[in-house]
Amino acid sequence: DILLTQSPSSLSASVGDGVTISCRPSQNISIYFNWYQQKVMKAPKLLIHGAVNLQSGVPSRFSGSGTGTDFTLTITNLQPEDFATYYCQQTYSTPGTFGQGTKVEVK
Amino acid sequence: EVQLVQSGAEVKKPGESLRISCKVSGYRFSRYWIGWVRQMPGKGLEWMGIIFPGDSDTRYGPSFEGHVSMSVDKSSDTTFLQWNNLKESDTAIYYCARHEEFEGVMAFDYWGQGTLVTVSS
Repeated sequence: DILLTQSPSSLSASVGDGVTISCRPSQNISIYFNWYQQKVMKAPKLLIHGAVNLQSGVPSRFSGSGTGTDFTLTITNLQPEDFATYYCQQTYSTPGTFGQGTKVEVK
Repeated sequence: EVQLVQSGAEVKKPGESLRISCKVSGYRFSRYWIGWVRQMPGKGLEWMGIIFPGDSDTRYGPSFEGHVSMSVDKSSDTTFLQWNNLKESDTAIYYCARHEEFEGVMAFDYWGQGTLVTVSS
């Protein structure tokens, strides 16, 4: 299985801040990579697919970058509704493993 | 509108069997893979497997193969996840999700609301 290492596991931020979350796969996965947001007691929501492509309806303050073995999710101008847990996922090979998650909390 | 609606919460005893369901609407059921994702209490997301309703081709994650089975009923646009011998460690929320292809990259784009399964003696 491909292991995804997310960092940090949690971070504290304020409304209006910018945050970045990193995800590093254990092998080269090209752009077969996605980001999800999960709010408490809710189903995950697809934010970004193919490493850089914003899913329809997702605000432009979310952006993704990277390829191969190093990926980043950036949120600019953090909004109250953005406090949640974020997961990366690879779909280069099955099983389509997820990272362990990054919880974005209110400072 | 694409929707995935899952069956309700279940409480079972160890050793019992269970089948939970995921009924889809708003798109052609047989054309998209459907996946199942486990979330144990307070933990992250785990990819369990995917099934293609068109021909029931199934891929299981190594941690789940042999312990769960996936199936479909094309007449009702429904996917199932089944256990024949539940363990307390199966206590979790289980999500179904549609597996869409975006220019060759697969991702779960629509999700069910989740089914809480509690296994306790």
